[in-house]
Order: sequence, then structure tokens, then C-alpha cells
Amino acid sequence: RKEVEQDPGPFNVPEGATVAFNCTYSNSASQSFFWYRQDCRKEPKLLMSVYSSGNEDGRFTAQLNRASQYISLLIRDSKLSDSATYLCVVNNRAAGNKLTFGGGTRVLVKP
Amino acid sequence: EAGVAQSPRYKIIEKRQSVAFWCNPISGHATLYWYQQILGQGPKLLIQFQNNGVVDDSQLPKDRFSAERLKGVDSTLKIQPAKLEDSAVYLCASSGVRDRRFYRAEKLFFGSGTQLSVL
Repeated sequence: RKEVEQDPGPFNVPEGATVAFNCTYSNSASQSFFWYRQDCRKEPKLLMSVYSSGNEDGRFTAQLNRASQYISLLIRDSKLSDSATYLCVVNNRAAGNKLTFGGGTRVLVKP
Repeated sequence: EAGVAQSPRYKIIEKRQSVAFWCNPISGHATLYWYQQILGQGPKLLIQFQNNGVVDDSQLPKDRFSAERLKGVDSTLKIQPAKLEDSAVYLCASSGVRDRRFYRAEKLFFGSGTQLSVL
């Protein structure tokens, strides 16, 4: 089983719609979680951290479910510019800040 | 602030040849990572340095890959000899020191990567 798993998609989303997807992790000792965004042929960039209580940043909402070992990302009012691959990242600080990436979920927002 | 610098941007070599990549992290960042990203997959950690010491190289194919970070600043990653399956983008990332307000070390700053094609 992979340490961090994501549905590769693509999720085809009409502009203005809401899309949500999850990421599961296998190591229960993981302490912190992040979503990175990667545009085609570009490097990944941090989108947001995921806090235990859930957090929101504009149209983006991230949730953490420790019991079921998954995190989620929800995008409201999707824009064409939201088209990208969203990478889930899990950190194990006890292992020296080992950051493990998922395979990414591709989102395509269409007019 | 200046970002993570990587070179070359592209490299095409034949199998069994050698290749080297260079990375200069953001000034002051103690942690440096090399990731391999195969098309359609997420980045896979090859090696992680804390200053000039190796923290994790468990997924580095040590029979052909080597990396060093002399003086705890810039780093080189070498492949010798290259195989067809090494074709990928090699990403270098760095992260900063702990801030008393929050653990900033987990925010990775990536370079633009080196796209390697092995023919």
C-alpha cells in the first residue's frame, strides 16, 4: 500500500461548480498535512496547510480526519485558473521532517 | 527573495552516460531535498539533507545515484550510468528554519527542475 494515495482524476468541473477530493495516508504517526498545487510543466507550490480543526482560504477548504486517516480539499466556485494537479503532502516529523507526496489529483475546470 | 536555482533546465543523454544536476537553495535554508518526478506521478523523495548531513536517502538508488551538499549550501545530484527509466524531472527544494510562531520548515520552495530525457 502506498503511503499517500490520491485519485488521479481527472475531475472535469464546470466553471462555477464545487469539486472535492480526498487523500488517504497510511502512517498514523503523520503529524502535519498540506496541499500543494502543480501547474502543467511547473514546480509544485504550497496551496495550504491542513489543520485538525479544518481551515478555509477563500474558495478553498481543507479538512483532516485523523480517525479515518484522510484529508480533503474542496474548491468552491471553480475558476478556469483552478485547473491544475493538486498534490497531497504528509509530514512525519519524527522521521526528520520526511515529506511524502501523493500522486496528485488532476482537476480540469471547463467553461 | 531569490528562489531555488537549478541547472540545467533540460538535459538529453544516451543510456549509460553520466549526468549531473546542480541546485542552489534559498539563502539560509538548512534543509535541501532532491525529488524525482516521473510524468503523471507525484514527486518521489530521493535524498534529504539537513545542512551538509544526510537525513534520508532510503529511496536513492545508490548503485547509480549520488548526491552531495558540500558546506551545507548548494548541492549536486549525479547519475552514473543513466538508464531509460531515469527519464523524469528532477526537482530540488529547500525549506527554512523553525519560526517561534509556527513550524515554517515544512513549507517547501521548489526550483524549476531539470527535465532529463534518457534515450
